[in-house]
Amino acid sequence: EPEVTQTPSHQVTQMGQEVILRCVPISNHLYFYWYRQILGQKVEFLVSFYNNEISEKSEIFDDQFSVERPDGSNFTLKIRSTKLEDSAMYFCASCPGTQGEQYFGPGTRLTVT
Amino acid sequence: QQQVKQSPQSLIVQKGGISIINCAYENTAFDYFPWYQQFPGKGPALLIAIRPDVSEKKEGRFTISFNKSAKQFSLHIMDSQPGDSATYFCAASRRGNTGKLIFGQGTTLQVKP
Repeated sequence: EPEVTQTPSHQVTQMGQEVILRCVPISNHLYFYWYRQILGQKVEFLVSFYNNEISEKSEIFDDQFSVERPDGSNFTLKIRSTKLEDSAMYFCASCPGTQGEQYFGPGTRLTVT
Repeated sequence: QQQVKQSPQSLIVQKGGISIINCAYENTAFDYFPWYQQFPGKGPALLIAIRPDVSEKKEGRFTISFNKSAKQFSLHIMDSQPGDSATYFCAASRRGNTGKLIFGQGTTLQVKP
């Protein structure tokens, strides 16, 4: 069964450093998302991506964040200068359409020290 | 208006019992309501979803009840099993939007043997 994969599973970085979180969505899916989940809290929408551009972003997704689909398979989230409050689980999701089922990856745990 | 409120925060049920988790929303434009199951250290996995044109959907031991006029929907887990112990999130999204999911706060379910 196809699945969304994410790497790395855990990333530790120092405050102010840049990190890139990687995702491989399910092939033939057209819509891609990043969500984050601070420990013990709900899952929060960050950004949606379709047709090689951002279709919507949340207030959390400020200028420090960017997304890219550099080739036909990878989907990345970059945080330019990490802050302590960026520590969270980051989930990638993909979907065949805007109202279809979103499939989530296993997540990347980002720890900013 | 974008919020989805979920209750209870935690739930303990005996094996074989019925687990009931409730969600309420405000935005009447929401028209897709999925439930996700999340085990510790894993990404959310789609469990079951409903659209507002039906009042109930059943898949195995899992049933969603939907009350459009009250803007509420609930997940019922029949014959609850210890393997059902997980965190459950309700969510909502809006047709014509980017498909972003708005999640509830989550319910931690423990099924005692």
